[in-house]
Amino acid sequence: KQEVTQIPAALSVPEGENLVLNCSFTDSAIYNLQWFRQDPGKGLTSLLLIQSSQREQTSGRLNASLDKSSGRSTLYIAASQPGDSATYLCAAPTGANSKLTFGKGITLSVRP
Amino acid sequence: GAGVSQTPSNKVTEKGKYVELRCDPISGHTALYWYRQSLGQGPEFLIYFQGTGAADDSGLPNDRFFAVRPEGSVSTLKIQRTERGDSAVYLCASSLAAQREQFFGPGTRLTVL
Repeated sequence: KQEVTQIPAALSVPEGENLVLNCSFTDSAIYNLQWFRQDPGKGLTSLLLIQSSQREQTSGRLNASLDKSSGRSTLYIAASQPGDSATYLCAAPTGANSKLTFGKGITLSVRP
Repeated sequence: GAGVSQTPSNKVTEKGKYVELRCDPISGHTALYWYRQSLGQGPEFLIYFQGTGAADDSGLPNDRFFAVRPEGSVSTLKIQRTERGDSAVYLCASSLAAQREQFFGPGTRLTVL
């Protein structure tokens, strides 16, 4: 059974700082991993999907890496802004149906 | 094009009542998923549709929960004899096919009094 862990549960940084959000998973037989952003009371916004054949995927100030052998993924946010404040969730698919197993998320607060 | 939409955005009901939650996936997406999110937790899988058929309903908590997708597009999640423990945000997601990127709707917040 896939288990996804995100530590710490919350993070507070000053504006402008570069930061890394960590995600670990137990079943390395995945073909992709997805990172999401969730604002309070809202649904999930897909940020990046990284295929198992890739090691990195970039979108703007975001960069996600995937290391299947170690069961880890990281989301790097460059030059953080107050607008980046949200909860960030990673999710790994299970089985051919790709049902996602989520971590509990990391709540990020970027202080002006 | 439009994203995934869900109605209603909020639903308040009394214990024991029946509720229906609707999901409109992105046009052309054959895969549709329902998840449930409790406060402070990540979403948890409920059911997966490929086309019209429920290919995986292993996440449904009990037989009070049922979902349909009769024409392979819109899906309805149905909950009978609601309980207070059913209170959560119900999220719908769609993708072009399994193993592709999933796109989520805004969710329906269900409150059972």
